[in-house]
Amino acid sequence: DQQVKQNSPSLSVQEGRISILNCDYTNSMFDYFLWYKKYPAEGPTFLISISSIKDKNEDGRFTVFLNKSAKHLSLHIVPSQPGDSAVYFCAASVVGANFGNEKLTFGTGTRLTIIP
Amino acid sequence: KAGVTQTPRYLIKTRGQQVTLSCSPISGHRSVSWYQQTPGQGLQFLFEYFSETQRNKGNFPGRFSGRQFSNSRSEMNVSTLELGDSALYLCASSLAPASGGGGEQFFGPGTRLTVL
Repeated sequence: DQQVKQNSPSLSVQEGRISILNCDYTNSMFDYFLWYKKYPAEGPTFLISISSIKDKNEDGRFTVFLNKSAKHLSLHIVPSQPGDSAVYFCAASVVGANFGNEKLTFGTGTRLTIIP
Repeated sequence: KAGVTQTPRYLIKTRGQQVTLSCSPISGHRSVSWYQQTPGQGLQFLFEYFSETQRNKGNFPGRFSGRQFSNSRSEMNVSTLELGDSALYLCASSLAPASGGGGEQFFGPGTRLTVL
């Protein structure tokens, strides 16, 4: 049972436009969410995160939105650049008392291709 | 179809000891990747195996090693444990080599290693 779902395996966006990657989750206990970016031949790298006490977190061109009632989060990249072409994983966790990222659950990823 | 399984789920060791973690990929998947997850660091790539051959290795000391068996099951070993090795170790499997950019990665639940 996939508790974190990325229903779009791939997405193509024109350079300069907005890229929106979506992620849905089913476990209402999740309270911390992360996005990872993965280039070929490299491991995933952390991109941005959001706690359930917030509904938006912004870092440069990247913004993550969280809709707890819909159990949905999205990653917006504006403007999209060729270097953004990668696989993006969302992940969710139930934060333990020692911030150990217990029960970290990943989605299966969305391959984003930025078209020059 | 059964998912990626990792054993044990939790492990407590003391400094200087060694540890072996096991990962069984999804049936039919020939690629297994290992990651270390620590608070604030995100996922850090350890190594990837495909058809019993190590394809790619991250920036970890030689104390971290791995292997893959003919049935695609993989083990990672950490020798001479240090306090900083305390982390969640994730393994992920895919049909094609993940480092080649092919195939979705499916992650296991992880092994929580605590070094005292």
